[in-house]
Amino acid sequence: QLQLQESGPGLVKPSETLSLTCTISGGSISSSSYYWGWIRQSPGKGLEWLGSISYSESTYYNPSLKSRVTISVDTSKNQFSLRLNSVTAADTAVYYCARVIVTGTARGFPDYWGQGTLVTVSS
Amino acid sequence: DIVMTQSPDSLAVSLGERATINCKSSQSVLYSSNNKNYLAWYQQKPGQPPKLLIYWASTRESGVPDRFSGSGSGTDFTLTISGLQAEDVAVYYCQQYYGSPLTFGPGTKVDIK
Repeated sequence: QLQLQESGPGLVKPSETLSLTCTISGGSISSSSYYWGWIRQSPGKGLEWLGSISYSESTYYNPSLKSRVTISVDTSKNQFSLRLNSVTAADTAVYYCARVIVTGTARGFPDYWGQGTLVTVSS
Repeated sequence: DIVMTQSPDSLAVSLGERATINCKSSQSVLYSSNNKNYLAWYQQKPGQPPKLLIYWASTRESGVPDRFSGSGSGTDFTLTISGLQAEDVAVYYCQQYYGSPLTFGPGTKVDIK
């Protein structure tokens, strides 16, 4: 059974960089059938897709965050990571990693989700 | 971006009765070349991540009870729960994957009357 687990700091100071890692177990990150994505959920903005990456490192970002987001993959560790820089209180949210079924370039729907991790931006 | 809206915001249904949730997209999510609607539905219970219920607007994910069904095409879609069970209390979201960025609806909360 595929499992995804987010890890990283739960508290980040304003203007600093949020860094999270998603570790995949029960499956391989190296498949052309899937992207690997980050989605966040906050009371104010609901569910927001941040971006996705393929195992071959093709990346697709939400234009609303594109200048601040970087997603990377480490196939040797079966992990992918999120970096969001210059954070503000508006970036406080539960961050989920997910497997995305590929239906087209930069498009797809998440079928497996991690449990999520709350990241609070505060000094 | 394709904007997704849902109605109602919340609804309360008696056990065993039908719950109907509507989702509307700001532009068509029907891809003419394959005649598929790029629309998915998710269920989220408190403290849990969203769970995929339906994709391609009407294809039920493996293991999802058949009381959950999806319908619609183009810009208007419906999730129906036929015979609400206590474990169906949750927030339900629609999501389009026709365009990038992927976008979600604001959610509909389903409770027991």
